[in-house]
Amino acid sequence: DGGITQSPKYLFRKEGQNVTLSCEQNLNHDAMYWYRQDPGQGLRLIYYSQIVNDFQKGDIAEGYSVSREKKESFPLTVTSAQKNPTAFYLCASSVRDRGQAFDTEAFFGQGTRLTVV
Amino acid sequence: KNQVEQSPQSLIILEGKNCTLQCNYTVSPFSNLRWYKQDTGRGPVSLTIMTFSENTKSNGRYTATLDADTKQSSLHITASQLSDSASYICVVSRTGNQFYFGTGTSLTVIP
Repeated sequence: DGGITQSPKYLFRKEGQNVTLSCEQNLNHDAMYWYRQDPGQGLRLIYYSQIVNDFQKGDIAEGYSVSREKKESFPLTVTSAQKNPTAFYLCASSVRDRGQAFDTEAFFGQGTRLTVV
Repeated sequence: KNQVEQSPQSLIILEGKNCTLQCNYTVSPFSNLRWYKQDTGRGPVSLTIMTFSENTKSNGRYTATLDADTKQSSLHITASQLSDSASYICVVSRTGNQFYFGTGTSLTVIP
């Protein structure tokens, strides 16, 4: 089945540790995104990538890093520099904007809940 | 500033009743507006899409409206079911694959 897969579903991290969240899609989408979701707040963009080997910082990139070595994969590393990493992380993908309004749908993974212990 | 605001923040209704959720936005240039349903602990799933030229669109018991002049959208849920309990997120797309998210309306349907 085509879709976007995040793993793991739950992740626990000790303070001072780096952790990497996986995001894989087989939708042949060029664009991929990482969002953070906190209670009572809308999704906030961490990083996004419009094409392989290129990515851009979003609104809250500090303390996070990404790579985009393959079209299908966009892993997110939460570093020890992120002061408050406990949150629900969502990965999404979409086709590249071709100027057709109906194309721009973000398909989401099922999320990873990260907890710092 | 590109923003999306939703109201109410939360809503509790009896099973079988109707409800309407609101979304106001200031995103420009506008590409489309989608309503997503997000079950607890899951990723959001698209319910409807509205482009600039569309005023209303239905998907089963869900009907979305768009007034591009006033930059307002609504999602009407008819004959609510317990499975409708979720967070409903309004997402406005700007050209260039840019998405702007509302904070969502948490809907609880009780028997």
